[in-house]
Amino acid sequence: GENVEQHPSTLSVQEGDSAVIKCTYSDSASNYFPWYKQELGKGPQLIIDIRSNVGEKKDQRIAVTLNKTAKHFSLHITETQPEDSAVYFCAATGGFKTIFGAGTRLFVKA
Amino acid sequence: DTGVSQDPRHKITKRGQNVTFRCDPISEHNRLYWYRQTLGQGPEFLTYFQNEAQLEKSRLLSDRFSAERPKGSFSTLEIQRTEQGDSAMYLCASSPVTGGNYNEQFFGPGTRLTVL
Repeated sequence: GENVEQHPSTLSVQEGDSAVIKCTYSDSASNYFPWYKQELGKGPQLIIDIRSNVGEKKDQRIAVTLNKTAKHFSLHITETQPEDSAVYFCAATGGFKTIFGAGTRLFVKA
Repeated sequence: DTGVSQDPRHKITKRGQNVTFRCDPISEHNRLYWYRQTLGQGPEFLTYFQNEAQLEKSRLLSDRFSAERPKGSFSTLEIQRTEQGDSAMYLCASSPVTGGNYNEQFFGPGTRLTVL
């Protein structure tokens, strides 16, 4: 069945460093790839997304890249801040169905 | 606040009891989704509505689970004869059908269910 694998499961960085989270997907029909940030006790919040006809997208300190051939996509956070500490989920959407990765817990040490 | 709301936020019940959760989506959103999230995992798709029509159900949604969206606005998720394995966070999300962000799902805060 459809699957999204996400690595690493935990990531610890120093404030100001960059953080990279990688995902792979299996469903060739996936055409929309959102990234969500989830803080304790809250629902996931969209932070950036990319569609299958685009290879890269950037929004301030956050960027996402997509390699459709390899079915890989990645999240890059630069100049990390303590408030970036949270769980991050990648997801792949085909039609109305969205499959989420297992999440990456990011710790940013001040 | 015009975001997605869910009620209750927390529910503790005894095994075998029935529970019902409510989701109020963003008012102009036609699509509504239910997900289940267990500790340390990403949300797992349960079911999807477009307006009042339930168009897809996951195999995760056993016959003890039923969801409705009678008027195409709010939705309810009922779990009958709850089991300890049903303990999880139940998330609702909504999205518009058209527009530049038609894929974007807006999530509610979730209902945390604990089955004793």
